[in-house]
Amino acid sequence: EADIYQTPRYLVIGTGKKITLECSQTMGHDKMYWYQQDPGMELHLIHYSYGVNSTEKGDLSSESTVSRIRTEHFPLTLESARPSHTSQYLCASSAGAGNEKLFFGSGTQLSVL
Amino acid sequence: AQKVTQAQTEISVVEKEDVTLDCVYETRDTTYYLFWYKQPPSGELVFLIRRNSFDEQNEISGRYSWNFQKSTSSFNFTITASQVVDSAVYFCALSEGDSNYQLIWGAGTKLIIKP
Repeated sequence: EADIYQTPRYLVIGTGKKITLECSQTMGHDKMYWYQQDPGMELHLIHYSYGVNSTEKGDLSSESTVSRIRTEHFPLTLESARPSHTSQYLCASSAGAGNEKLFFGSGTQLSVL
Repeated sequence: AQKVTQAQTEISVVEKEDVTLDCVYETRDTTYYLFWYKQPPSGELVFLIRRNSFDEQNEISGRYSWNFQKSTSSFNFTITASQVVDSAVYFCALSEGDSNYQLIWGAGTKLIIKP
């Protein structure tokens, strides 16, 4: 059912590299989110967007940045990856005025060596 | 302050048994929403249910049922006649605000269904 896509699915990189995690949705949702999750643990919101040119930081401090130039695209960038960034990154989107269900992508499992 | 507690870290049952996953929440608002999501081993979270604070009617969807009790601030999830495909991590979440960015997540309960 979900039309939200994340690439890559898995990424292993060395310390200091710049990386961009891609997230796209074809549902025309205004709201998009990035969550960080350690395996099987609770989700932590790191960034969100209410629409084009709108981005905000979430509750969890993150060294990543995001952009929202197009409604369907919400990439997340790490300028200099570190081992502490090793985690799963989940992208989600939602429609409506608020409190609607989230549609999630399959996630990107990032490992920084 | 907002908080969601899923006290059961892991539950293991044999197939066909019934199992209940507990969710207790804390909020000062009178208007709020409660959610359940399923995260199978593949990793993609799937929405199961949303309930607003003004609707205490219990819900049944096939083998799944939810018991919302404001008096005990609980929103428990029961799977009847469990199946191996039900094995996943289940998350309960709370939203008080106008937007999902205020979603507060429980720590999740890992459910293992043994054949």
